[in-house]
Amino acid sequence: QQQVKQSPQSLIVQKGGISIINCAYENTAFDYFPWYQQFPGKGPALLIAIRPDVSEKKEGRFTISFNKSAKQFSLHIMDSQPGDSATYFCAALHTSGTYKYIFGTGTRLKVLA
Amino acid sequence: DGGITQSPKYLFRKEGQNVTLSCEQNLNHDAMYWYRQDPGQGLRLIYYSQIVNDFQKGDIAEGYSVSREKKESFPLTVTSAQKNPTAFYLCASSKPGALGNEQFFGPGTRLTVL
Repeated sequence: QQQVKQSPQSLIVQKGGISIINCAYENTAFDYFPWYQQFPGKGPALLIAIRPDVSEKKEGRFTISFNKSAKQFSLHIMDSQPGDSATYFCAALHTSGTYKYIFGTGTRLKVLA
Repeated sequence: DGGITQSPKYLFRKEGQNVTLSCEQNLNHDAMYWYRQDPGQGLRLIYYSQIVNDFQKGDIAEGYSVSREKKESFPLTVTSAQKNPTAFYLCASSKPGALGNEQFFGPGTRLTVL
C-alpha cells in the first residue's frame, strides 16, 4: 500500500511533442504529490507538485493532472525540448505522517532534436 | 545561499573500510534523509531523521549508520558490513508542514569501492 507505481520506464519523444508520465498509488492518506527532474550525475530537483484538492496544476510547459478517484496522477511536458531529456520521478507523501516520501521508480525521457 | 552540501563529490574506498559521507543543510529544515541510487535505478531510502537525536531506518539500512547531533548535519557511515556499497548517495532535507513539503536534494556523493 506504500508503493507508487510509475510508467513508462523509458520514453522517447520528438522535439515539440508531448511527454506523458503516469503514476498510481494505493494509500489514500497521501496528500502531497511532487515530481522531480534529475540530470545525470546530479541530485533531483523539484519540478512541480500538487495537492489532491485540485485536479490540475500548470507551471510553464509542465502540467500535473490529478485523478483522486482513480488514485492516479501524471506529468505532461508540452512542447518537449532536448534539454528536457532527464529522468523524472514522481513521489507521494502523507504530510501528517512519518515525513517519509515514497518515490516511483523513475522514467528516463529522451527528446530527439 | 541556502542549500544542501555533500562532501566529497567522489569517494574511493578499499574493501573492509568504513567511510563517512557528509551532509550539511542551512535551510533550517527539521527532516533529513539519505538515499542510495544505483545506475539507471530509482531512489532507495537508507535512513531518515525527523528531529535532532532521532532517526529511523529506511528500506535498506543494513550496513549503514547515521547520527543527528545537530539540526544542520546528518552524516552517513557506510560500514564494512555493506556488501555492495558502490553507488550514488543523495542527501535531502525537508520541512513538512501546511505551507509546503518540498524536499531539497544535495548534489550527491559517488562512492566507489576498489
